[in-house]
Amino acid sequence: AQKVTQAQTEISVVEKEDVTLDCVYETRDTTYYLFWYKQPPSGELVFLIRRNSFDEQNEISGRYSWNFQKSTSSFNFTITASQVVDSAVYFCALSEEVRRGAQKLVFGQGTRLTINP
Amino acid sequence: DTEVTQTPKHLVMGMTNKKSLKCEQHMGHRAMYWYKQKAKKPPELMFVYSYEKLSINESVPSRFSPECPNSSLLNLHLHALQPEDSALYLCASSPPRGADEQFFGPGTRLTVL
Repeated sequence: AQKVTQAQTEISVVEKEDVTLDCVYETRDTTYYLFWYKQPPSGELVFLIRRNSFDEQNEISGRYSWNFQKSTSSFNFTITASQVVDSAVYFCALSEEVRRGAQKLVFGQGTRLTINP
Repeated sequence: DTEVTQTPKHLVMGMTNKKSLKCEQHMGHRAMYWYKQKAKKPPELMFVYSYEKLSINESVPSRFSPECPNSSLLNLHLHALQPEDSALYLCASSPPRGADEQFFGPGTRLTVL
């Protein structure tokens, strides 16, 4: 069965610090997709990134960067120079396609990130 | 239009009431989803519709009844709910390619008294 583990339940840092959110996954599929979502207090899940299992390139988007390592089944997320607006719950998720165009997302338990001014 | 909308934003209902949650998207997505999220927990998948047909029912109690009248609309009919059904109900949609990200609506916060 597929599983996603986010071992860090809560992280609290001071603004401008760098912070890394860990994600470890388990799957027997050779083709799979990994995602990060952000959930601010308003409740809506905001898509951040998708990575497929064949693309191990790290990605950087502004202050956000992602490190995908298949050898350790990890897909970690780093925020550089954190800001108060980054405060949210962050979910890592793994997907499988279950039927024409539909997928099932397996979420980790989430990491609550608090950035203090 | 690149968003998923959900109505109502908040809903309070008694255990004998019948109510419906509505979700709409106009992005041409052919898969739509209902999730339930309790406080401090990740979203839990309830139902998946693919091309207007129910693909997945995650053993959800029959007091929750989904409906997909067309490719843009998804409803969740509620009847005889229990207080433990109080949660944030999230709708999502995804493109027909199957591997793409899901786009989530803002959710309906449901309280059952």
